[in-house]
Amino acid sequence: DAGITQSPRHKVTETGTPVTLRCHQTENHRYMYWYRQDPGHGLRLIHYSYGVKDTDKGEVSDGYSVSRSKTEDFLLTLESATSSQTSVYFCAISESRGGEQYFGPGTRLTVT
Amino acid sequence: SQQGEEDPQALSIQEGENATMNCSYKTSINNLQWYRQNSGRGLVHLILIRSNEREKHSGRLRVTLDTSKKSSSLLITASRAADTASYFCATDFNSGNTPLVFGKGTRLSVIA
Repeated sequence: DAGITQSPRHKVTETGTPVTLRCHQTENHRYMYWYRQDPGHGLRLIHYSYGVKDTDKGEVSDGYSVSRSKTEDFLLTLESATSSQTSVYFCAISESRGGEQYFGPGTRLTVT
Repeated sequence: SQQGEEDPQALSIQEGENATMNCSYKTSINNLQWYRQNSGRGLVHLILIRSNEREKHSGRLRVTLDTSKKSSSLLITASRAADTASYFCATDFNSGNTPLVFGKGTRLSVIA
């Protein structure tokens, strides 16, 4: 596996609380991505980063924010979690835009 | 939506048989990729085929690309129980904001 870790791996939180998920890479790849995976929808891009402090929105960015202050870390924040954000979240990295992506193990988030 | 569409949604075969999955897309691409996901795990990159390529092989995997029909096929030969997984195509479109757009996947079951 590429050197990608996600933390936490599982989290249960209540509606309205803030949540931050962390993705850490040891590969020094320029691009980092956050996806959510839901039954019937496949994998959908939330936000991605193309360098330190450089980020852009994906298909389903509403309700999420991201930050990348170091090459190796990409944080995903749910400002005020809602039940519709219950999902499995994957981080991925790539050397180039449109190139092969390498995925982390995922974080299962449940919002009650 | 630019999302690629895999066909079939689910496929069940006997060990030793070949498995074929298809992916169709709507606009011009730079490359198309195939990924595998075992239950509860992150996606794993299998193969990338560029728009100017027609066929690529990797072990028991064979991928074809027909840009005139905007479609790709993934063939797994001599399938094994360990090939049981979901398979996703992902497209790097010439235009659009999203670096890589994933389809909803084909769930393959290989019965021993």
